[in-house]
Amino acid sequence: QQQVKQSPQSLIVQKGGISIINCAYENTAFDYFPWYQQFPGKGPALLIAIRPDVSEKKEGRFTISFNKSAKQFSLHIMDSQPGDSATYFCAASSIRGSTLGRLYFGRGTQLTVWP
Amino acid sequence: DSGVTQTPKHLITATGQRVTLRCSPRSGDLSVYWYQQSLDQGLQFLIHYYNGEERAKGNILERFSAQQFPDLHSELNLSSLELGDSALYFCASSAYPSGGPKETQYFGPGTRLLVL
Repeated sequence: QQQVKQSPQSLIVQKGGISIINCAYENTAFDYFPWYQQFPGKGPALLIAIRPDVSEKKEGRFTISFNKSAKQFSLHIMDSQPGDSATYFCAASSIRGSTLGRLYFGRGTQLTVWP
Repeated sequence: DSGVTQTPKHLITATGQRVTLRCSPRSGDLSVYWYQQSLDQGLQFLIHYYNGEERAKGNILERFSAQQFPDLHSELNLSSLELGDSALYFCASSAYPSGGPKETQYFGPGTRLLVL
């Protein structure tokens, strides 16, 4: 059973446009929601993350919107650039005491930004 | 560079063989996680170690085992390899609270395993 569902599977955006990737989760025990960016041949790299006590977090061109009641969160990439072309994964986890638990990943979204 | 190192980068072996993948976490990180990435299954959690102790197990086959040593590096052992074990294997590490942001898992570059 997929704990985190991600859509769309692929996304094509023109340079300068907004890229939006959506994720949904079921387990209300999750309290940490990161987004990872992965380039071919590389490991996933943390892009931005959010805790459920805030509804939005912005870092540069990247924004996470979080809707706790709907159990959904999304990544917005403003002014998308060709260098943003990569696979994006949403994930969810729980923090218990001092330890971060395992990450449950979405299936990924392959983003292509046309120049 | 995440600070997590993995060796080897590539591994080609035959069915039925046994291999060992090695991971060195970021300096000071006590937690090590192993993940498998394949086209059909995506990123799947295998196992989590914290300061030498197993904390959680995911979809890890009985043919697979792992351990974390006193110097905190970890090894993932894969035995009786099958064609379907071909995948990218990543380890990640996260910090003890006093060592920095505890809420982040930093991923290594991965080991690409090809079983022929």
